[in-house]
Amino acid sequence: RKEVEQDPGPFNVPEGATVAFNCTYSNSASQSFFWYRQDCRKEPKLLMSVYSSGNEDGRFTAQLNRASQYISLLIRDSKLSDSATYLCVVSLVNQAGTALIFGKGTTLSVSS
Amino acid sequence: EAGVTQFPSHSVIEKGQTVTLRCDPISGHDNLYWYRRVMGKEIKFLLHFVKESKQDESGMPNNRFLAERTGGTYSTLKVQPAELEDSGVYFCASSQDGTTGRPQFFGPGTRLTVL
Repeated sequence: RKEVEQDPGPFNVPEGATVAFNCTYSNSASQSFFWYRQDCRKEPKLLMSVYSSGNEDGRFTAQLNRASQYISLLIRDSKLSDSATYLCVVSLVNQAGTALIFGKGTTLSVSS
Repeated sequence: EAGVTQFPSHSVIEKGQTVTLRCDPISGHDNLYWYRRVMGKEIKFLLHFVKESKQDESGMPNNRFLAERTGGTYSTLKVQPAELEDSGVYFCASSQDGTTGRPQFFGPGTRLTVL
């Protein structure tokens, strides 16, 4: 079983649509959670951290369910510029350090 | 403030050759990480430096890979000798401190092709 699993998509939606991505992680000791965005042939860029209470940043809302080991990202009023791959990322602290563990990503394509 | 930079952006070498990748972290970031994305797979952790010390090198695939961070500033990742399966994008990331919860900021990556 993969450590972080995401639906690869692609999700093809029209402008203005609401779209939701889900992610599950296998290690219950995971302590930090993030969504990164990656454009084609570019580096991952931090979109938002995910907190247990849920958090919102403009059109983006992230939720975390530790009991189910489940993370979600909701994008409202999709824009053409939202087209990208969204990476679900977790980290845990162990004796060694704080490496990030990535999912394969979910591809979003927003069309006019 | 300058972000994480990596050099070269692309490298094409033949099997058996040596390649050295360089990463300059964000100024003041003691924590430096190397990751790799092989085609069709997720990004995977290679190793983590705190200043000049290797904190975690559990992700290094084998002893053909050597990472250094002399002086605790920039880092190099050398692959010697390169094999076909080493092809991929090598990302470097840095963070202000190594505590969980701190995001890591990524460089643009080096795209390595081994022929």
